[in-house]
Amino acid sequence: QKEVEQDPGPLSVPEGAIVSLNCTYSNSAFQYFMWYRQYSRKGPELLMYTYSSGNKEDGRFTAQVDKSSKYISLFIRDSQPSDSATYLCAMTPYGNNRLAFGKGNQVVVIP
Amino acid sequence: DAGVIQSPRHEVTEMGQEVTLRCKPISGHDYLFWYRQTMMRGLELLIYFNNNVPIDDSGMPEDRFSAKMPNASFSTLKIQPSEPRDSAVYFCASSPYGTGGTEAFFGQGTRLTVV
Repeated sequence: QKEVEQDPGPLSVPEGAIVSLNCTYSNSAFQYFMWYRQYSRKGPELLMYTYSSGNKEDGRFTAQVDKSSKYISLFIRDSQPSDSATYLCAMTPYGNNRLAFGKGNQVVVIP
Repeated sequence: DAGVIQSPRHEVTEMGQEVTLRCKPISGHDYLFWYRQTMMRGLELLIYFNNNVPIDDSGMPEDRFSAKMPNASFSTLKIQPSEPRDSAVYFCASSPYGTGGTEAFFGQGTRLTVV
């Protein structure tokens, strides 16, 4: 079983819709959870990170972590065409530099 | 700061040739990471350095791959000899304190095609 599972299937939504992305993981030592956004032919850039369980909100973006279920989510409200990108989840134990990435979800927001 | 700078952006080479990828991290960042991204395997960490010293190279696929960081502002990833299965996008990233809770800043990547 891969450490981090993320369904890579493309997701197309109309502008203004809520986008829901998620990852599951198997390593209970993971404590830092991150979402990276990657535009086409660019490097990933950090979008949000959370430590341990709970929710974190930043503008239109909300990240949720449920450590008991080993499940993390990213929600994008009022999606915009500029949100069209691949979203990768990443996680690591505290103080560990080996980030484990999901394969990424390609999101297309249709105007 | 211009961010993490990688060169070349694209590289096409023949099987068996030596390939050298280059990276200039953000000034002041103590950690440098080399990643490889493919459709099949996603983003994988190959090796990382702390203060120019290789710390963890367990992700380097085989002896054909080597990485060096001769100083704080330059690193190379070398593949010799290259094989078609090495075709991927290679990213360099740097971080001030490591990625255990802080951001890694990625370069634009080098798209390598081995024919």
